[in-house]
Amino acid sequence: KAGVTQTPRYLIKTRGQQVTLSCSPISGHRSVSWYQQTPGQGLQFLFEYFSETQRNKGNFPGRFSGRQFSNSRSEMNVSTLELGDSALYLCASQGDPNTEAFFGQGTRLTVV
Amino acid sequence: AQRVTQPEKLLSVFKGAPVELKCNYSYSGSPELFWYVQYSRQRLQLLLRHISRESIKGFTADLNKGETSFHLKKPFAQEEDSAMYYCALSGTGTALIFGKGTTLSVSS
Repeated sequence: KAGVTQTPRYLIKTRGQQVTLSCSPISGHRSVSWYQQTPGQGLQFLFEYFSETQRNKGNFPGRFSGRQFSNSRSEMNVSTLELGDSALYLCASQGDPNTEAFFGQGTRLTVV
Repeated sequence: AQRVTQPEKLLSVFKGAPVELKCNYSYSGSPELFWYVQYSRQRLQLLLRHISRESIKGFTADLNKGETSFHLKKPFAQEEDSAMYYCALSGTGTALIFGKGTTLSVSS
C-alpha cells in the first residue's frame, strides 16, 4: 500500500508570510502527527490528530495550527513565518495507538 | 513530564566494534519504547520496539524500568549501520516523543 505522502517537498517563503503543508496518511490510518526536525533540536512534536480531532499538542506557539479532514488527510499551517521556522516538517501516521508510526519524506521549509 | 534523553550527539566506532546508543526516559506510567533510524536520504523508519523483543539487523534493546533506560546495542558494528538513531516513547493517549537523536558513524 502507498506510504505517507507529504506535499510539497520543498518550500521557500518570506518572513511574515504563511504556509500550508499537506499530509496524506496510509490508507486506513486515522492518527496523523506532525513533527519539526532541526539539526539543533532534533524531532519536536507539534500536534496529533485522530478522527478529525486534535488529541495532543506540543509546546509550539499558536502560529502553528493544523486540521484533519474526514478522509484522514491533514494539513498544518504556520502563520507569520519567522526565520527560525526553517526546518524539515515530518508527518507520521499510525493505525492504532502505540503502534508503529510511518513517516513521510517531509517538507523542507526555508524562510528567508 | 515525559521526556527522552539521548546523551550522545555523535558516536564514532570502527567496523566490528560493539555499539551502545544510550537512551533514558522520564514517564509516570508504563510507556511503549521505540528506536527509529534515519539512513542518509531515507525517511525515518522503525528499527525496533521493546514490546516485540526482537533483534533487527543485529540490534537489540532491553527496557530497564529501574534505571528508566532503553539502550540500543549491537555486538559488531557494520558500515551500513551509519545513520541517525532516535529513541522514542509513547504513553497512553500520547503521541510519540523523541529524543534529540544520536548520529552513529561506523568507519573501516
